[in-house]
Amino acid sequence: EVQLIESGGDLVQPGRSLRLSCAASGFTFDEYAMDWVRQAPGKGLEWVATISWNSGVIRHADSVKGRFTISRDNSQNSLYLEMNSLKPADTALYYCAKDSGSSGIINAYDLWGQGTVVIVSS
Amino acid sequence: DIQMTQSPSSLSASIGDRVTITCRASQTVNSYLNWYQQKPGKAPKLLIHSSSSLQSGVPSRFSGSGSGTDYTLTISSLQPDDLGTYYCQQTFNTPKTFGGGTRVEIK
Repeated sequence: EVQLIESGGDLVQPGRSLRLSCAASGFTFDEYAMDWVRQAPGKGLEWVATISWNSGVIRHADSVKGRFTISRDNSQNSLYLEMNSLKPADTALYYCAKDSGSSGIINAYDLWGQGTVVIVSS
Repeated sequence: DIQMTQSPSSLSASIGDRVTITCRASQTVNSYLNWYQQKPGKAPKLLIHSSSSLQSGVPSRFSGSGSGTDYTLTISSLQPDDLGTYYCQQTFNTPKTFGGGTRVEIK
């Protein structure tokens, strides 16, 4: 079955770290770019980061730059988001999304996971 | 950054109505404009990519058009299953910005 399954979300205190994972199956993972997209409670969608098929192109939103790092392990069909110095504003449902192309730009997300919840609160 | 402005922010329409949602970019996105539908409690789903290409498996009542900075999503005949929030997104450049969303309700 073609799917993405996120994990790693949790309730954490401000300033702490968290690592999200996304396990891909049912498609050739190393042929596609992958993204993280988040949605704060009751709010719209916000792009967080993108990584090309070979990790050659990596981009982060300004709101997370220097704190979050996207990475992937093609041998494990897995995508990651390392989140440091977490802030309450990072509280959201984090989605892993498959790009329909390899480069990380131009294309659309043709597959989404169900998301993992991150709550940053003291 | 490219800003995406969607309108209206919400609408209520009857079954069978034609529904139009617009998305305006602050600069050209060269038709790299996608539309997603998000039903309550669910992940978004791709409807239209590259301004006007219908994603496989999406009903033909959905269509997209536009170029440059102005884009439109049309539902030709609203169905009960179309309830949800619709988002546009530009992927011409990073950050890959989304519009604020349009909530569609059924009268």
